[in-house]
Amino acid sequence: DAGVIQSPRHEVTEMGQEVTLRCKPISGHDYLFWYRQTMMRGLELLIYFNNNVPIDDSGMPEDRFSAKMPNASFSTLKIQPSEPRDSAVYFCASSLDSPPGDEQYFGPGTRLTVT
Amino acid sequence: AQSVTQPDIHITVSEGASLELRCNYSYGATPYLFWYVQSPGQGLQLLLKYFSGDTLVQGIKGFEAEFKRSQSSFNLRKPSVHWSDAAEYFCAVGTGYTGTASKLTFGTGTRLQVTL
Repeated sequence: DAGVIQSPRHEVTEMGQEVTLRCKPISGHDYLFWYRQTMMRGLELLIYFNNNVPIDDSGMPEDRFSAKMPNASFSTLKIQPSEPRDSAVYFCASSLDSPPGDEQYFGPGTRLTVT
Repeated sequence: AQSVTQPDIHITVSEGASLELRCNYSYGATPYLFWYVQSPGQGLQLLLKYFSGDTLVQGIKGFEAEFKRSQSSFNLRKPSVHWSDAAEYFCAVGTGYTGTASKLTFGTGTRLQVTL
């Protein structure tokens, strides 16, 4: 398997623009996670899905953030409108079994810069 | 809620020297504990995990960690560091619950530099 795939790897956008980050989990994994990593706050869980259904979105910072998982092989994280403080590395991860016990496999991340 | 503290932001060791990275957690019951490693520009990779049983856990790449309940610690060790071990290391804790209570909480990380 190719592992967790994220696109784009880098995104630079202007404040106010819509940003969409994409993730393809490992085939057969039932859980998908979105994390944000910043110097100030470290690694934070934003939301996670089980069988395409959002289970916990309490980490989503505000209404500007939304995440979807229309099928088992694809998820998006959207920020609309984007702000400079959204600049971070966004990771997608997937696991075969339920957290926290099962290993989460991380993608390479999307580095977002909002100017 | 659970929390994790990694008191060392940055550690430098010489190649071949031993390594210990500290991790302290806060959680009322027996936690699920993990160590992940992140190489520059990469995602996180699991090194090892502890759920129950033997408190000394062996992981990949020659790493081990010891769970000490009395000290609320889960320190990561390696007897002889290689230059390729230079990376950022994250300790994480999770509960044994499922559903919304099952999130992992990560520490702020320790950056390891290895000198030749």
